[in-house]
Amino acid sequence: DTEVTQTPKHLVMGMTNKKSLKCEQHMGHRAMYWYKQKAKKPPELMFVYSYEKLSINESVPSRFSPECPNSSLLNLHLHALQPEDSALYLCASSSRIGSGNTIYFGEGSWLTVV
Amino acid sequence: AQKVTQAQTEISVVEKEDVTLDCVYETRDTTYYLFWYKQPPSGELVFLIRRNSFDEQNEISGRYSWNFQKSTSSFNFTITASQVVDSAVYFCALHTGTASKLTFGTGTRLQVTL
Repeated sequence: DTEVTQTPKHLVMGMTNKKSLKCEQHMGHRAMYWYKQKAKKPPELMFVYSYEKLSINESVPSRFSPECPNSSLLNLHLHALQPEDSALYLCASSSRIGSGNTIYFGEGSWLTVV
Repeated sequence: AQKVTQAQTEISVVEKEDVTLDCVYETRDTTYYLFWYKQPPSGELVFLIRRNSFDEQNEISGRYSWNFQKSTSSFNFTITASQVVDSAVYFCALHTGTASKLTFGTGTRLQVTL
């Protein structure tokens, strides 16, 4: 079983809705990530947090707003999304950022924007 | 720049056959890490193996084995006696010291049938 848990598993939202995706890990990792994955494509990095501070933003539109309340939690706030934002959103964590650290992924949240 | 090529888009085998998934990478860095992840239909990316650039030892874990060859920039993955539960998309990924993120290949979809 994955040690990175994501909720909800499935989410359907309208373009005017505000919703949040949540992620939690209890491995003591200090780096957390959001990835977006479209069908038949590899995951694409969106955001990286290191020690609860935003370290990388891959030029993600402002309708996606990440938040890291503490070292175990990571949220992704969604507002005014477009149908093309429908995708699998994967949370991940690693002990630290950097190439020597294995990134562990959660089960993902399947998002549909209608 | 970093690049990972998984030339096999889809592979279909019958249960108990052996199958090899190819991965070729490009980087100018001398220190780097290679990964394989499995993604079943449920969506979770499951970490399988990490290999650093200084360790060319092949590895075996049960029915899985990995062949790392720096001379050909390849990190191939073999499943022996495949099973239906091996059906998934498999991603090879590269992380180097100079890159801020994992570089994924496009993935290979493996279908194992009875």
